[in-house]
Amino acid sequence: QKEVEQDPGPLSVPEGAIVSLNCTYSNSAFQYFMWYRQYSRKGPELLMYTYSSGNKEDGRFTAQVDKSSKYISLFIRDSQPSDSATYLCAMSELGFGNEKLTFGTGTRLTIIP
Amino acid sequence: GAVVSQHPSWVICKSGTSVKIECRSLDFQATTMFWYRQFPKQSLMLMATSNEGSKATYEQGVEKDKFLINHASLTLSTLTVTSAHPEDSSFYICSRGVLNEQFFGPGTRLTVL
Repeated sequence: QKEVEQDPGPLSVPEGAIVSLNCTYSNSAFQYFMWYRQYSRKGPELLMYTYSSGNKEDGRFTAQVDKSSKYISLFIRDSQPSDSATYLCAMSELGFGNEKLTFGTGTRLTIIP
Repeated sequence: GAVVSQHPSWVICKSGTSVKIECRSLDFQATTMFWYRQFPKQSLMLMATSNEGSKATYEQGVEKDKFLINHASLTLSTLTVTSAHPEDSSFYICSRGVLNEQFFGPGTRLTVL
């Protein structure tokens, strides 16, 4: 069993729809959770960084963490064609920048105009 | 702007040759940098942790003699793929951490013929 499971998609939704992306994990030592966006042939860029169970909102993006279920989600409201990318969840134990990250496989998302 | 750069952005080489990839931290000095490998439609897999002034720490299953890492200065880490073979064709990405965030380079696409 992989430490982090993520549906690879692909996922296609019409512009303006709400997108839900999810990851599950098995290692209870993971305490810090991140969502990265990766455009084709580019490096990942950090979208959201969370620690506590619950919701964290940043503009059109909401990250949700449920540590009891070992389940995290990223919601994108009012999706735009520019949101088309691969979204990767990542996790770490201590939350330091110089710490190993464990990534999900990534979900390829396409927003249809 | 970009805080981590990589060079080259893509490279094609013949089987059996060696290829060097550079990763530069543009804003902060980095005693630690990371090297990841990403196969098509797959997640980022950590290959090794590059430590300035000392030996790199390799993940299980990564051949030290094949993937040579040198971190000779606080702003530069290099990955050399020695005696490259077609199965080494992949997207190689480096990163460095600041506080609680990891910044990724734009990646280097290696194709071995």
